[in-house]
Amino acid sequence: NAGVTQTPKFQVLKTGQSMTLQCAQDMNHEYMSWYRQDPGMGLRLIHYSVGAGITDQGEVPNGYNVSRSTTEDFPLRLLSAAPSQTSVYFCASSIQQTTEAFFGQGTRLTVV
Amino acid sequence: KQEVTQIPAALSVPEGENLVLNCSFTDSAIYNLQWFRQDPGKGLTSLLLIQSSQREQTSGRLNASLDKSSGRSTLYIAASQPGDSATYLCAVGLEGTYKYIFGTGTRLKVLA
Repeated sequence: NAGVTQTPKFQVLKTGQSMTLQCAQDMNHEYMSWYRQDPGMGLRLIHYSVGAGITDQGEVPNGYNVSRSTTEDFPLRLLSAAPSQTSVYFCASSIQQTTEAFFGQGTRLTVV
Repeated sequence: KQEVTQIPAALSVPEGENLVLNCSFTDSAIYNLQWFRQDPGKGLTSLLLIQSSQREQTSGRLNASLDKSSGRSTLYIAASQPGDSATYLCAVGLEGTYKYIFGTGTRLKVLA
């Protein structure tokens, strides 16, 4: 049971480039979410999804897009990378929002 | 706006001590609270989940309590071990939403 898998683990982008961070879970969880973790600021919710075809914005959605075409996958797209998006990104999933959350290992993104 | 605070930011104790980590939140309209552990460079692991109707949860040497009316939760670790060294984060689920708000964490070091 792989749990929540994020790829890549590390990425360096140039300002203005776009990329997609991948997140996949094999636990048939309905709820999935993306967070960014910055020093001294804790984890902040970017986008979340309560099921296939349903997504919504979190606290800090600007500059990011998501889609949820299947239960398993929840990719996060950076449209035009900016240095302010340098962060560690975590994907999480749970059966429902009110149940235990499972996190991926994170993607460390640097935008230069 | 919900704010979650964890004090102290860092804590260093000798092996074998019992210790308490604190989490406070400003709005009592929550549906649950989770405690997580994060090891350096890793994702988060859920330790304990307390629903808003519960007062405490226990798992092995860990006990978490929740006082929703006063906006406080504590994580009690009994007989601490060097392997407990990590950052501990709490997160509250906001009532009426699908969102979690995280604290900035307490970095714990248990000295052998």
